[in-house]
Amino acid sequence: DTAVSQTPKYLVTQMGNDKSIKCEQNLGHDTMYWYKQDSKKFLKIMFSYNNKELIINETVPNRFSPKSPDKAHLNLHINSLELGDSAVYFCASRENVGKGQETQYFGPGTRLLVL
Amino acid sequence: GESVGLHLPTLSVQEGDNSIINCAYSNSASDYFIWYKQESGKGPQFIIDIRSNMDKRQGQRVTVLLNKTVKHLSLQIAATQPGDSAVYFCAENIDGGGNKLTFGTGTQLKVEL
Repeated sequence: DTAVSQTPKYLVTQMGNDKSIKCEQNLGHDTMYWYKQDSKKFLKIMFSYNNKELIINETVPNRFSPKSPDKAHLNLHINSLELGDSAVYFCASRENVGKGQETQYFGPGTRLLVL
Repeated sequence: GESVGLHLPTLSVQEGDNSIINCAYSNSASDYFIWYKQESGKGPQFIIDIRSNMDKRQGQRVTVLLNKTVKHLSLQIAATQPGDSAVYFCAENIDGGGNKLTFGTGTQLKVEL
């Protein structure tokens, strides 16, 4: 009965590789997010999709490409991984973009380590 | 025990005491605020939220206070328990349209037995 799930939980890879992380929510929400949490626990939004449409695209290198095949899934592909990409990546979802529905629900995180 | 959030990232309290975690937010136009709890190795978990038309909201053992005059938010935890040990984040809805939350730095709460 997991609400927001992410795979994999841990990802260790070499610099220069390409990797994907996946997110699924079974809450019936329309909006999904990717956040990056650095080693100091700072959480920063990267992307947001509403009903498969990109609505937030923060200042993120274009090596990062989100993809939403349907509103329950939001994947994140990272090309040419760099050491600075090491972080915990969280997926979140929210019911809709309207007022009264701002609460975001987070997944367990994907711990990415680039060597 | 009490912290000033951004300036004291760690707050240590005795079990059974009340905890106060403070947060200064950045945008006077923010209209929604939320507190999250993040335990080690887990994702942030919703605790309580408050809209800008309120100055206080209570949940189970938690109270959020909002002071818009000084752009200050606090989370009070009554009778702090070991299970409350975590990092606590405040977040504000900063874009008015309700879609983007901006998170504060976080405060580590340590409960001592």
